[in-house]
Amino acid sequence: GQQVMQIPQYQHVQEGEDFTTYCNSSTTLSNIQWYKQRPGGHPVFLIQLVKSGEVKKQKRLTFQFGEAKKNSSLHITATQTTDVGTYFCAGVNYGQNFVFGPGTRLSVLP
Amino acid sequence: DAGVTQSPTHLIKTRGQQVTLRCSPISGHKSVSWYQQVLGQGPQFIFQYYEKEERGRGNFPDRFSARQFPNYSSELNVNALLLGDSALYLCASSLLTGGKPEAFFGQGTRLTVV
Repeated sequence: GQQVMQIPQYQHVQEGEDFTTYCNSSTTLSNIQWYKQRPGGHPVFLIQLVKSGEVKKQKRLTFQFGEAKKNSSLHITATQTTDVGTYFCAGVNYGQNFVFGPGTRLSVLP
Repeated sequence: DAGVTQSPTHLIKTRGQQVTLRCSPISGHKSVSWYQQVLGQGPQFIFQYYEKEERGRGNFPDRFSARQFPNYSSELNVNALLLGDSALYLCASSLLTGGKPEAFFGQGTRLTVV
């Protein structure tokens, strides 16, 4: 079945440093979605990428979808303590089923 | 508008018991999905229902079952509970139409099996 991997598993950064997490699917995706989960909370939708090679920006966050629609990345510029949480990618296959990656847990040291 | 609501928020059960978890989707959303999230891992897909019909099923044993009602609310049932069923159970609703497939998650039900 479809598998979605993310690296790294954990990332500790100093406030102000940049952060990147990578997501790879074993199969071609219809689209990919990114979610953020704060400690003790539930996943919150961040963005959806649909087109091959698509790049989207949300303030300090930049999301990319690979040309083959099998990988994606999330880059945060100049991290802040409010960025703390676990970032999940969810690969959406053509059956509209979500397969979540294991997540990257980001901690930001002030 | 209310978001996705789940009940109960916390639950403690003993091995072998049965449990029913409930979910009310966002108004207008016809799709409900259930996920199991074990501590430190990503949500694992259990079921998806759309218009009261099962559209997808993850790799979970037959002890897990679900249904969707005419008002689009949903229940997840787990029989013969095992210690390994302890997890956060998340319900997500989505439109699935209109180019907006993003899922909106409820706060979850934290199930502890002792």
